[in-house]
Amino acid sequence: GDSVTQMEGPVTLSEEAFLTINCTYTATGYPSLFWYVQYPGEGLQLLLKATKADDKGSNKGFEATYRKETTSFHLEKGSVQVSDSAVYFCALSERTGSARQLTFGSGTQLTVLP
Amino acid sequence: EPEVTQTPSHQVTQMGQEVILRCVPISNHLYFYWYRQILGQKVEFLVSFYNNEISEKSEIFDDQFSVERPDGSNFTLKIRSTKLEDSAMYFCASSDPAANTGELFFGEGSRLTVL
Repeated sequence: GDSVTQMEGPVTLSEEAFLTINCTYTATGYPSLFWYVQYPGEGLQLLLKATKADDKGSNKGFEATYRKETTSFHLEKGSVQVSDSAVYFCALSERTGSARQLTFGSGTQLTVLP
Repeated sequence: EPEVTQTPSHQVTQMGQEVILRCVPISNHLYFYWYRQILGQKVEFLVSFYNNEISEKSEIFDDQFSVERPDGSNFTLKIRSTKLEDSAMYFCASSDPAANTGELFFGEGSRLTVL
């Protein structure tokens, strides 16, 4: 079945540091790929997405490129801020029956220190 | 901006009690979902719902669980007899089939604590 493997956390960075969170996936078809973010005490928010190979999703300075050849969707940000502290989830979506079902990675806790 | 809303935000219940978690999906969405996240663990799929019936469910979604769309706006998850291991954050989500991107829109979650 489908699966998503994320870099183990937690990750602690200083403000303005470069961030990479690795994500690889296994899927039978051509999934859409997502990064969701969960800020402390809040729900899941879509951060960015890519629906086909070589697409780059971007939002709030975060980027991820859909790499079919390496089955990866690594999240990057050039300069993190304290406000980026959150849990980041990589996810994929393939159509199952009539609906799409998200498969999540285990999440990576990011803490950014001032 | 339209959003998915969930109530209650937090519920504490005794083991063996019935719990109903409520969700109002985005109005033009046709697919509805429940996911759960046990503290510190992965977000797990429970069930998807379309056209007034379950379209997919996971192994977690056993006979203790049921879903219903009792009217044109609400989507509920019922746990018939709660167990300690049902303690988790439960997320409702909805999606628009016309968008065809696979994106799900999540509510802020309902935290269930079973004592």
